[in-house]
Amino acid sequence: GQQLNQSPQSMFIQEGEDVSMNCTSSSIFNTWLWYKQEPGEGPVLLIALYKAGELTSNGRLTAQFGITRKDSFLNISASIPSDVGIYFCAGRVSGGSNYKLTFGKGTLLTVNP
Amino acid sequence: DGGITQSPKYLFRKEGQNVTLSCEQNLNHDAMYWYRQDPGQGLRLIYYSQIVNDFQKGDIAEGYSVSREKKESFPLTVTSAQKNPTAFYLCASSTSGTTGELFFGEGSRLTVL
Repeated sequence: GQQLNQSPQSMFIQEGEDVSMNCTSSSIFNTWLWYKQEPGEGPVLLIALYKAGELTSNGRLTAQFGITRKDSFLNISASIPSDVGIYFCAGRVSGGSNYKLTFGKGTLLTVNP
Repeated sequence: DGGITQSPKYLFRKEGQNVTLSCEQNLNHDAMYWYRQDPGQGLRLIYYSQIVNDFQKGDIAEGYSVSREKKESFPLTVTSAQKNPTAFYLCASSTSGTTGELFFGEGSRLTVL
């Protein structure tokens, strides 16, 4: 099956700092999705990417679909305490009948006020 | 408001008992999914369904069963055959199984005593 590596596993930052995390795949994906999950809750979709090179923003969040189609990046600018949570990437392979999403193991973000 | 409702939020079960987790969506989505989440792991697919009266096994279907008698409902039964059932279970839906974004419910935490 597809392998999807997400890094870093965890981050401890000060309020106001910028954050970067990324996911890399062993396969070519045609879709990248980024989710945020707070403790005890379901993941919430932040950004969806469908084209190589696509750069999409959602408030202070910006995500990019890598040109190789094997990676994606999420940046958070000027972090605030409510950014705390686990951020997951998810990808879907190109073509064929495999439409299952593959999920990264998540990046745990802690923001110190 | 449109969304996905999972119930119960918390459930305790004795070993050897079957338990059913409810998932209802009013988003008019064709595809529905069940995932299992364990600490430090990515989401693992249990079962998915693209249309009513049809469903397929995911990566970890052993010890679980589902039904899809109505478009809006996709209940998951955790049977006594599941050797390690204590986990956080997430239901999701999407417009189709091949494209589109996945939307999640708030999750159900099952604890086996």
